[in-house]
Amino acid sequence: QTVVTQEPSFSVSPGGTITLTCGLNSGSVSSSYFPSWFQQTPGQPPRTLIHNTNSRSSGVPDRFSGSILGNKAALTITGAQADDESDYYCLLYLPGDIWVFGEGTKLTVL
Amino acid sequence: QVHLQQSGPGLVKPSQTLSLTCAISGDSVSDNYAGWNWIRQSPSRGLEWLGATRFRSRWNTYYAESVKSRIVINADTSRNQFSLQLNSVTPEDTAVYYCARDRYWKYDYWGQGTLVTVSS
Repeated sequence: QTVVTQEPSFSVSPGGTITLTCGLNSGSVSSSYFPSWFQQTPGQPPRTLIHNTNSRSSGVPDRFSGSILGNKAALTITGAQADDESDYYCLLYLPGDIWVFGEGTKLTVL
Repeated sequence: QVHLQQSGPGLVKPSQTLSLTCAISGDSVSDNYAGWNWIRQSPSRGLEWLGATRFRSRWNTYYAESVKSRIVINADTSRNQFSLQLNSVTPEDTAVYYCARDRYWKYDYWGQGTLVTVSS
């Protein structure tokens, strides 16, 4: 069974930089998996931050950026702010035309 | 501007069928570049993609392995909507269910979410 792995939790200081990662238990993540990143606050649908590895959605601050780092997709937040405290999910497009979400990372800004 | 409006019951009995509908405005369910997805979220399972329907000259459906034996997603072109049926539900299927559009591999529009509780 395919599992998309993320760090369960992370902590960053205000103004700091953090990189969240998204891996595959069965191999490497590449741009051909069209990685997306979502931010979610309680009671709301996920908000797309990044799609197609590094394309930022309209209205998303440029402190959010996406990339491939080694064998994983990555979301970097540069200059973290208090309202970046959220749950973050990655999503991969896998062979067979299916999507699989990561397990999510709970980010604390303190 | 695309809008997805979900409808369907919030309570389903165990062993019965969960049915939800997602009405589309601002786009066509037959859009050749869009995928129409169902996703759910629960505290125990996080976000889980359940399946999608896409029109690419003909209708195609794709399902997650975890629900493949119990799920049906259909498009209704006359009403411009798509639906989810999940059979033989158990309390483990209790979740917030979302419909969502993906286009060029970007999830850009979501429904409002429907909390479905499986309980007798």
